[in-house]
Amino acid sequence: EAGVAQSPRYKIIEKRQSVAFWCNPISGHATLYWYQQILGQGPKLLIQFQNNGVVDDSQLPKDRFSAERLKGVDSTLKIQPAKLEDSAVYLCASSLDRSGSLRDGANVLTFGAGSRLTVL
Amino acid sequence: AQTVTQSQPEMSVQEAETVTLSCTYDTSESDYYLFWYKQPPSRQMILVIRQEAYKQQNATENRFSVNFQKAAKSFSLKISDSQLGDAAMYFCAYRSVRSGATNKLIFGTGTLLAVQP
Repeated sequence: EAGVAQSPRYKIIEKRQSVAFWCNPISGHATLYWYQQILGQGPKLLIQFQNNGVVDDSQLPKDRFSAERLKGVDSTLKIQPAKLEDSAVYLCASSLDRSGSLRDGANVLTFGAGSRLTVL
Repeated sequence: AQTVTQSQPEMSVQEAETVTLSCTYDTSESDYYLFWYKQPPSRQMILVIRQEAYKQQNATENRFSVNFQKAAKSFSLKISDSQLGDAAMYFCAYRSVRSGATNKLIFGTGTLLAVQP
């Protein structure tokens, strides 16, 4: 099966500019995640979607970050305006179904290759 | 809140030797999942191995095995017969299974493993 697709792979922008990242999950995966991975740190969840609804966006800086998954398939993460501290790799992941199979481990996350953002 | 700690920022191993990566975690829950993910340079993160907390038997996947010590809240990864392709950043991660929990992973800061030929 095709993996999680992300684009662009690399982006360099000036601070206060805007940027958007796109993610297409594995076909049939209901749950989609955006993680932020700052250099030297582990990935941190920004937002989680179940189909086209938001499950968890508690760590999303809502004054500058937004995300949508309008048709329950692909998703876009936007940053506007960008700050220097937003420099990071933005990882998209998907899993089959949030509500099912947590116990038997079938609900494993599959990650994309990431989008590396550099803010100058 | 749950936390995951990886105290070894970098490790090095000779090809064909064995290396152990450490991970500790903090939680008040009795049932959960633990994972080790591998992230090669500029490539996607992939699952190496997972452990269910209610299972006492340590998980094994080919050359990869874990030492799960629930009381000590320790979850180490052992890589046997190390290969050049094992060089990567390794992340330990925790996931709750309590009712109403999301599928969210909580990650440690990672251990960068170098494999020397």
